[in-house]
Amino acid sequence: AQSVTQLGSHVSVSEGALVLLRCNYSSSVPPYLFWYVQYPNQGLQLLLKYTSAATLVKGINGFEAEFKKSETSFHLTKPSAHMSDAAEYFCAVSVSGAGANNLFFGTGTRLTVIP
Amino acid sequence: GAGVSQTPSNKVTEKGKYVELRCDPISGHTALYWYRQSLGQGPEFLIYFQGTGAADDSGLPNDRFFAVRPEGSVSTLKIQRTERGDSAVYLCASSLSEGSYNEQFFGPGTRLTVL
Repeated sequence: AQSVTQLGSHVSVSEGALVLLRCNYSSSVPPYLFWYVQYPNQGLQLLLKYTSAATLVKGINGFEAEFKKSETSFHLTKPSAHMSDAAEYFCAVSVSGAGANNLFFGTGTRLTVIP
Repeated sequence: GAGVSQTPSNKVTEKGKYVELRCDPISGHTALYWYRQSLGQGPEFLIYFQGTGAADDSGLPNDRFFAVRPEGSVSTLKIQRTERGDSAVYLCASSLSEGSYNEQFFGPGTRLTVL
């Protein structure tokens, strides 16, 4: 079975500070990993995904994440937070193989950016 | 282009009533997914369609929940004899084809409230 754990349901950072949102996964087979962002009253939007190519994945809006198999982690980072980054962020895992299509989401981390 | 749309955006109903939630996927997307997001939780997989058929309905919580996609495009999620515990945001997503590496594009959701 697949699952993800997001440490910290709420994270606050100052504008311009480093953003670090943590995600650890559990999977018995090589995973695909995703970060989605959800702005208020909007649908989930894909930030980036890992599909077994490069372990450092760059996404939209300056975000990136690094797949670390030894640590079973896929933490999301951004060097400098912007006010517009305030949103809820979800890590998700899926697996390869026929019939494996659904995403398993973490419980989310709400990011607050302090001016 | 047009994204995934869901109607209604909000639905309030009474316990025991029947509801239908509609999803219009992105044109040309063959895969369609339904998720449920309860307050403070990440989205939870319900059912996945490839074309007209339900390829995986393992996430449906019980037989009060049913979904169809008769022409391989629009899908309807049907809930019979609604219960207060069914209150949640129901999300629909579509992707170009099946395969867990494919990006799922999410709609804004339908917020269902059962009184």
